[in-house]
Amino acid sequence: SYVLTQAPSVSVAPGTTATITCGGDNIGSKSVHWLQQKPGQAPMLVIYSDSDRPSRVPERISGSNSGNTATLTISRVEAGDEADYYCQVWDSSSDSVIFGGGTKLTVL
Amino acid sequence: QLHESGPGLVKPSETLSLTCSVSGGSIGDTSYYWGWVRQPPGKGLQWIGSVYYTGKTFYDPSLKSRLTISIDTSENEFSLKLTSVTAAETAVYYCARVWGTYRIFDYWGQGTQVSVSP
Repeated sequence: SYVLTQAPSVSVAPGTTATITCGGDNIGSKSVHWLQQKPGQAPMLVIYSDSDRPSRVPERISGSNSGNTATLTISRVEAGDEADYYCQVWDSSSDSVIFGGGTKLTVL
Repeated sequence: QLHESGPGLVKPSETLSLTCSVSGGSIGDTSYYWGWVRQPPGKGLQWIGSVYYTGKTFYDPSLKSRLTISIDTSENEFSLKLTSVTAAETAVYYCARVWGTYRIFDYWGQGTQVSVSP
């Protein structure tokens, strides 16, 4: 089955840019979504279809997808961005939803 | 809004049953599927399965033999039944609205803790 690979953790200083990647075989041909999950809360959609943002999500959160890597970029990182981030795709060959293992973003 | 309900404690080898009540919209809306996701303590998200308003289902292959997801459009709710559970299936179980062909999980319930223990 299709596998999505994420680094377990990323640490950045406030005000800098955080880059969270999601690797998968030819993931650029798929539609990638990103979820943010803060401690004790349900996940929340922050990016869908590679780079689209729900209206409630700030513009400093963006996404891209090409080749074998999808990327979530958070500019001007704030303490409130500290969370786990999950990438997700629909694998049509197996009719299955696939989640990445998640990346914990720590704001130093 | 989505709200999960069901027993918080299930014995090993028994059946886990949960219901997700949907408010503020129709579960019969053709734009959406309805899904279940779980999260074991300290671990990541695991897809369980999804259902469309017609009753068509999509299941995680590893759970397929033990899993039933159903939908009741008259009650605006959908349900999960997982048989022969083990302690490893202790988790927070979430229901979610799933949008479109590419299965975008756009709204989630708050989650319900289910422990599998004697």
